[in-house]
Amino acid sequence: DIQMTQSPSSLSASVGDRVTITCRASQSISSYLNWYQQKPGRAPKVVIDTASSLQSGVPSRFSGSGSGTDFTLTINSLQPEDFATYYCQQGNSLPLTFGQGTKLEIK
Amino acid sequence: QVQLQQSGPGLVKPSQTLSLTCVISGDSVSSNSVAWNWIRQSPSRGPEWLGRAYYRSKWYNDYAVSVRSRITINPDTSKNQLSLQLNSVTPEDTAVYYCARYLPGPKVFDYWGQGTLVTVSS
Repeated sequence: DIQMTQSPSSLSASVGDRVTITCRASQSISSYLNWYQQKPGRAPKVVIDTASSLQSGVPSRFSGSGSGTDFTLTINSLQPEDFATYYCQQGNSLPLTFGQGTKLEIK
Repeated sequence: QVQLQQSGPGLVKPSQTLSLTCVISGDSVSSNSVAWNWIRQSPSRGPEWLGRAYYRSKWYNDYAVSVRSRITINPDTSKNQLSLQLNSVTPEDTAVYYCARYLPGPKVFDYWGQGTLVTVSS
């Protein structure tokens, strides 16, 4: 199985800050890396697919980069609605696996 | 607009069978361009993919090794829905269960059900 490791596991930031979350795969996954945002009591919602493709309706302050084993999610100018938990997920091979999550909290 | 509406009991006794249903609207369970999945999430943990069903001239299933001996995912084309059965449950199966649509191109889960909290307890 491909292990997905996110860092940090939690992050405190203020409105207006820029934050970066990283995700590392245990083996190369090409660009088959997706990022999800999850708020309490809700299902995950995809924000970035194939490493860098912004989902329709997602604000442009979200961006993703990387390929192979190392990926990043960057959020510029944090807004109050961005505070949530973020997960990466690889689609390169079965079983499809997720990272353990990064909880983004308001400082 | 695709919508996935889940239903099923929230409490299951140990050793019994967990059964959930996901009714699909805005797409077809028989679509040959997507796959239909079940994913679960234990408290404070990342999501865990359990398995999927998809149609490509015939029906296929893939399952996670961790549950392969206990899981069945079936489509019901007459009701346009997907079912999950997980046998011989233990308290470790307590989780929020989601159905989700998967796009093979970008390899992403783009639509999710609302989630069902299933507690395994006597």
